[in-house]
Amino acid sequence: DAGVTQSPTHLIKTRGQQVTLRCSPKSGHDTVSWYQQALGQGPQFIFQYYEEEERQRGNFPDRFSGHQFPNYSSELNVNALLLGDSALYLCASSPGTVEAFFGQGTRLTVV
Amino acid sequence: DQQVKQNSPSLSVQEGRISILNCDYTNSMFDYFLWYKKYPAEGPTFLISISSIKDKNEDGRFTVFLNKSAKHLSLHIVPSQPGDSAVYFCAASGNSNTGNQFYFGTGTSLTVIP
Repeated sequence: DAGVTQSPTHLIKTRGQQVTLRCSPKSGHDTVSWYQQALGQGPQFIFQYYEEEERQRGNFPDRFSGHQFPNYSSELNVNALLLGDSALYLCASSPGTVEAFFGQGTRLTVV
Repeated sequence: DQQVKQNSPSLSVQEGRISILNCDYTNSMFDYFLWYKKYPAEGPTFLISISSIKDKNEDGRFTVFLNKSAKHLSLHIVPSQPGDSAVYFCAASGNSNTGNQFYFGTGTSLTVIP
């Protein structure tokens, strides 16, 4: 079992650009959540996808959007990047239970 | 507003001794609590969890205690090993039919000294 995989692992973007991050959930998991972890902070919930719909959303602006595909994989899109969007972006999958399994994250740097 | 707090950013413990990591929360609707361990350049790894109907859960060297009246939980690691050196995050989840959003603390960096 490959676990939760995220791509890319590192990314550098310029302010104002757009970025797409990808996540493949653990086999058998149908729920995908995205978190942002800024330096020195705990992960902050962005949103969660289930059955290809956004089920729950945290306190993030509309510049953050997502998608879930029929195979349960998911994308996180961020538009009009700001310097403050620099962070580790974590994807977590779960089979509908409370416990979630995290990927290794994508380190996004906005310059 | 930080609903889950870990007030100790770091902790150093001698190998073989007990490590105690603390976590406080403010939302009484939280009913499930988890601890995650994170090594550099890796995602958080699930360690142990506890439901609000329990006050203790044990898994090998790891025990989590929950005090609902104080809105406090702690993770005990006995005996501590150098491989336990990592950042530990406490997380809480509310009773929701629409998903299981986690609220994380800011983490405690544990160093186990050989």
